[in-house]
Amino acid sequence: EVQLQQSGTVLARPGASVKMSCKASGYTFTSYWMHWVKQRPGQGLEWIGAIYPGNSDTSYNQKFKGKAKLTAVTSTSTAYMELSSLTNEDSAVYYCTIITTVVATEFDYWGQGTTLTVSS
Amino acid sequence: QIVLTQSPAIMSASLGEEITLTCSASSSVSYMHWYQQKSGTSPKLLIYSTSNLASGVPSRFSGSGSGTFYSLTISSVEAEDAADYYCHQWSSYPTFGGGTKLEIK
Repeated sequence: EVQLQQSGTVLARPGASVKMSCKASGYTFTSYWMHWVKQRPGQGLEWIGAIYPGNSDTSYNQKFKGKAKLTAVTSTSTAYMELSSLTNEDSAVYYCTIITTVVATEFDYWGQGTTLTVSS
Repeated sequence: QIVLTQSPAIMSASLGEEITLTCSASSSVSYMHWYQQKSGTSPKLLIYSTSNLASGVPSRFSGSGSGTFYSLTISSVEAEDAADYYCHQWSSYPTFGGGTKLEIK
């Protein structure tokens, strides 16, 4: 069974950086892109970017270049997202999600989300 | 980027009612996916590639559309359908609609 287990709630100060994790199980971690999606309170979903753990190739939404950095550790099947220079606008729930169907574009598995609150 | 506009933003429906949610794209897209998100949970894939039901999704849900206009229909609303619904396309990169909140009267 595919599972994406995300790290817990984070409280951070403005200007700080945070790193959150997404531990994958139930599939071959190196074979599928790991995507990250942002959801601000009461708002819609925004694609941040993705990483291919097989070769660490990354793709970012232009909006999040310089804000998010995606990495992956294959030995532990864990993907990470680091957010830097935090502001109130970064307060949101962040999801990791994957597409497991070949030549598909729908996200069929999601983590439970990591809540980030930025506050002084 | 392709902007997806969902309407209505909020819909109130009675049990057993048939409802249709819509998603309009700023440019033509090949297909649309739909997700259901209940309060405090992650989005769940509902319909993929415009009209295909994801695994375990009840048959009262259906999707249709083409080009710049897509829709999600629930043939007979049930209490458990109360949720936010999002459309999603992937042209150059993924974008999502702003969502429709479905409330049950």
